[in-house]
Amino acid sequence: GNSVTQMEGPVTLSEEAFLTINCTYTATGYPSLFWYVQYPGEGLQLLLKATKADDKGSNKGFEATYRKETTSFHLEKGSVQVSDSAVYFCALSRNNNNDMRFGAGTRLTVKP
Amino acid sequence: DTAVSQTPKYLVTQMGNDKSIKCEQNLGHDTMYWYKQDSKKFLKIMFSYNNKELIINETVPNRFSPKSPDKAHLNLHINSLELGDSAVYFCASSQDLRGGEQYFGPGTRLTVT
Repeated sequence: GNSVTQMEGPVTLSEEAFLTINCTYTATGYPSLFWYVQYPGEGLQLLLKATKADDKGSNKGFEATYRKETTSFHLEKGSVQVSDSAVYFCALSRNNNNDMRFGAGTRLTVKP
Repeated sequence: DTAVSQTPKYLVTQMGNDKSIKCEQNLGHDTMYWYKQDSKKFLKIMFSYNNKELIINETVPNRFSPKSPDKAHLNLHINSLELGDSAVYFCASSQDLRGGEQYFGPGTRLTVT
């Protein structure tokens, strides 16, 4: 079945450090891939997405590239800020299928 | 304007009670969802509706009953609440069934004592 595996947290970084959160997926066909962010006490918000192989999604300095050959969609940011502290979820959905699968979430804490 | 709203934000109740959570979206979307998030942040789909029709019904106790009076509203009624029902419940919506992004509400934190 379709599933997403992301690196376990928590991840603690200093401000301005480089961030990578790994995400790999298992799916039939060609899924769309997403990163969502959940700030404390809030719902999930879409951070970025990619709908086909080699697409790069980007937003707020975050990037992720859809790599079909490695079935991965790793999230990166060159310089994190304290305000990036949140839980990050990788997710996939197959086209024409509204059953979105989420990873377990990775908690990021950025210290000043 | 809040795109996906839920009420109440917090709900504290005793075991055995019956409670409801309401959700409304003003995005004009056809599809709505209920998710349960446990204390470890794991997110699990419970139900989805498309134009008031039940589409996804995961393995959820039949104490949980969703109701969609129209495509902008999806409510969740829970009977005979148990301690294990304590969690944050999120409503979400998407344009349609084609697998695009979902928009989440702020969540309802349910605590059963």
